[in-house]
Amino acid sequence: AQTVTQSQPEMSVQEAETVTLSCTYDTSESDYYLFWYKQPPSRQMILVIRQEAYKQQNATENRFSVNFQKAAKSFSLKISDSQLGDAAMYFCAYRRGGGATNKLIFGTGTLLAVQP
Amino acid sequence: DARVTQTPRHKVTEMGQEVTMRCQPILGHNTVFWYRQTMMQGLELLAYFRNRAPLDDSGMPKDRFSAEMPDATLATLKIQPSEPRDSAVYFCASYPGWGEQFFGPGTRLTVL
Repeated sequence: AQTVTQSQPEMSVQEAETVTLSCTYDTSESDYYLFWYKQPPSRQMILVIRQEAYKQQNATENRFSVNFQKAAKSFSLKISDSQLGDAAMYFCAYRRGGGATNKLIFGTGTLLAVQP
Repeated sequence: DARVTQTPRHKVTEMGQEVTMRCQPILGHNTVFWYRQTMMQGLELLAYFRNRAPLDDSGMPKDRFSAEMPDATLATLKIQPSEPRDSAVYFCASYPGWGEQFFGPGTRLTVL
């Protein structure tokens, strides 16, 4: 069975600084997708970034980027120039590919605090 | 701006009562997921439908939970009878068949 592990329950970063959130996963599949979701206090789940396993290039979305290490099964999220609005719970998630409709498997989350 | 809607947003009820949560997926999306978020278990899948047909409900306690999709614009999750351990945030997610799942705002359920 696939699993997703986030080993950092809480992280803190100063405004304008850079922070990296860790995520590892376990799968025997070769076709899959990885995601980072942001959940602010409103509880809305917001997609931050997505990575297809077949792509070697790391995904980037403005201040958010990932370090995808397929062999190591690692998928970390880097937030540059942190802003107060980045404070939230961040979830790493895995979805099997293969063209089927597959569920998301989530990690336990990392609560990010941004200090002014 | 297409969004997934869920009602009610908050529900407080007493143990033993029936609870019905509703989800309106994004028009044209063929798959609907129900996830539950608790402090202890995190985010976990309860059930999902594709083209209104149930595909997987293995994460759902069958004795008290039921999920249906009576038409393409409505998915329901029902708990009868409710128990305090059902207190959680229930999310519906809508999926077009490719790309990302779009989450609704969730229903926060408290069972006293």
